[in-house]
Amino acid sequence: DQQVKQNSPSLSVQEGRISILNCDYTNSMFDYFLWYKKYPAEGPTFLISISSIKDKNEDGRFTVFLNKSAKHLSLHIVPSQPGDSAVYYCAASEVGGSARQLTFGSGTQLTVLP
Amino acid sequence: KAGVTQTPRYLIKTRGQQVTLSCSPISGHRSVSWYQQTPGQGLQFLFEYFSETQRNKGNFPGRFSGRQFSNSRSEMNVSTLELGDSALYLCASSLVLADTQYFGPGTRLTVL
Repeated sequence: DQQVKQNSPSLSVQEGRISILNCDYTNSMFDYFLWYKKYPAEGPTFLISISSIKDKNEDGRFTVFLNKSAKHLSLHIVPSQPGDSAVYYCAASEVGGSARQLTFGSGTQLTVLP
Repeated sequence: KAGVTQTPRYLIKTRGQQVTLSCSPISGHRSVSWYQQTPGQGLQFLFEYFSETQRNKGNFPGRFSGRQFSNSRSEMNVSTLELGDSALYLCASSLVLADTQYFGPGTRLTVL
């Protein structure tokens, strides 16, 4: 049972436009959400996170929105640049005792066209 | 500040062998987690260590084990390798538990 779902395996966007990547989750115990970017042959790079007590978090060109009632989050990249082309992973975690493990979605390949 | 380092970067083993992978966390980080990435299963949590103690474990067989040393460096071991163990093994570190995790470049393990 996939607890974190990224239903779009790929997304193509023109340079300068907005990229919107979506993520849905099923576990209502998740209280912390993160987005990672991954290039081939490299580890995931942390982009931005959001706690369940917020509904929006911004960091430069990246904004994450959280809709708890819909169990949905999205990552907006504005403006999109060719260097943003990578696989984007949504991850979620719940505090279990004193530990925190990440549950990842399957990823969305973003291609930004020049 | 140097990032998470993992050694070796690439490894080829044969079925039945065992392997040890190493991870050095970001300086000051005390929590280390391990993940396995395969095309079929995606990124899956293996285990997490903090203060030399395993705090959490994912749904993997006992052939997968790990440990953490007093300097926060960590190793994971896979015994009796199977073809399905071929994967990218990723290590992530965080300052403390329940904190943002930062990943290393991974070790690509191929089992023949």
